[in-house]
Amino acid sequence: SQQGEEDPQALSIQEGENATMNCSYKTSINNLQWYRQNSGRGLVHLILIRSNEREKHSGRLRVTLDTSKKSSSLLITASRAADTASYFCATDLDRETSGSRLTFGEGTQLTVNP
Amino acid sequence: EPEVTQTPSHQVTQMGQEVILRCVPISNHLYFYWYRQILGQKVEFLVSFYNNEISEKSEIFDDQFSVERPDGSNFTLKIRSTKLEDSAMYFCASRKGWETQYFGPGTRLLVL
Repeated sequence: SQQGEEDPQALSIQEGENATMNCSYKTSINNLQWYRQNSGRGLVHLILIRSNEREKHSGRLRVTLDTSKKSSSLLITASRAADTASYFCATDLDRETSGSRLTFGEGTQLTVNP
Repeated sequence: EPEVTQTPSHQVTQMGQEVILRCVPISNHLYFYWYRQILGQKVEFLVSFYNNEISEKSEIFDDQFSVERPDGSNFTLKIRSTKLEDSAMYFCASRKGWETQYFGPGTRLLVL
């Protein structure tokens, strides 16, 4: 498996329910970022969690990071139909080079049914 | 709120032609990136650029690709001789410090 893998690949829920998406990675990281992509559109940054943080909140989003298990989860509470999109985790590896590329996972396609 | 912009939004070209994709990063950012996403696949890193030089490139970024920051605002990706497999969405991103990368809306390139 590759750096940054999300599960499930697809998730379908009803409006008002919570959605949880998971991401696993293989190497040590500097930070982990979650992005959202509406079909065929650009990547919108949602939240960044640093390697020394365990949990972070932003509005209806809650992200956790467990560096011992090399995993992160994104929780969207009280989902809305407008949350329908693909969600990607991206890891920023712990390295000393200035490039600091992001390595993306395969993404979770979330569908929120009205 | 400042944002990364990209032009054109769509480009159709013939195989073997040169294309230049343009990006205007956020003005006070120092690090610049190109990524691509083939339809239905994940986003892949191509190249990073800092202090007027390439700081890292992936195996995808071969001799057919080049990047340039010709002035204080634009950041371009050139593909010299396009192949069918270059068809993808190309994203530019920029970063100020060591953290959040902000992405542009992308250029959808179709090579016929």
